[in-house]
Amino acid sequence: GAVVSQHPSWVICKSGTSVKIECRSLDFQATTMFWYRQFPKQSLMLMATSNEGSKATYEQGVEKDKFLINHASLTLSTLTVTSAHPEDSSFYICSARDQRGGLLEKLFFGSGTQLSVL
Amino acid sequence: GENVEQHPSTLSVQEGDSAVIKCTYSDSASNYFPWYKQELGKRPQLIIDIRSNVGEKKDQRIAVTLNKTAKHFSLHITETQPEDSAVYFCAASRSGNKLVFGAGTILRVKS
Repeated sequence: GAVVSQHPSWVICKSGTSVKIECRSLDFQATTMFWYRQFPKQSLMLMATSNEGSKATYEQGVEKDKFLINHASLTLSTLTVTSAHPEDSSFYICSARDQRGGLLEKLFFGSGTQLSVL
Repeated sequence: GENVEQHPSTLSVQEGDSAVIKCTYSDSASNYFPWYKQELGKRPQLIIDIRSNVGEKKDQRIAVTLNKTAKHFSLHITETQPEDSAVYFCAASRSGNKLVFGAGTILRVKS
């Protein structure tokens, strides 16, 4: 399967600071990447769809100024949590579609980032 | 929009027994149904998927069935092993659209 790399794996930061999370497709190009948030023992909640070369599409209730998404190349999308607060503490995970060989829908996930805001 | 419901939320089985997890979806236009396995602190891994043009797909001990009329699909794991213990998520989407996930099922295989 396709490989999606996500960094960092975990981060601890002070309240009010910003944190950047990177998501890379290592062996394929991804015009679309997705960012999810997952609370303990809960499902994956889609935050936004990241489109290469254009603005991200945010889900209802997700603040676009709070969660900045940049998809500047076909292999890299970044999520920046701005002015982080304790309630932003969560597991953030990205995914990308591998469209090679007709695999249009298959989503492959990064390893996730555990964010803890003190 | 699409809504996916998943049952049960937790499932305990004895090693060697079968496990069945069921999902229903609301959007009759959905045509792609993957299942993911997530171990604690790890990324979700795609274990099997099915498209709406087939009713069943099997891969060794894992199978998925789809009933388009009733809008439900199920994951079947036979001869369960302790390493099958994880959280399983179903999902549904229309081609090219975002995946909508079910709430997840915690599967515990007791040895």
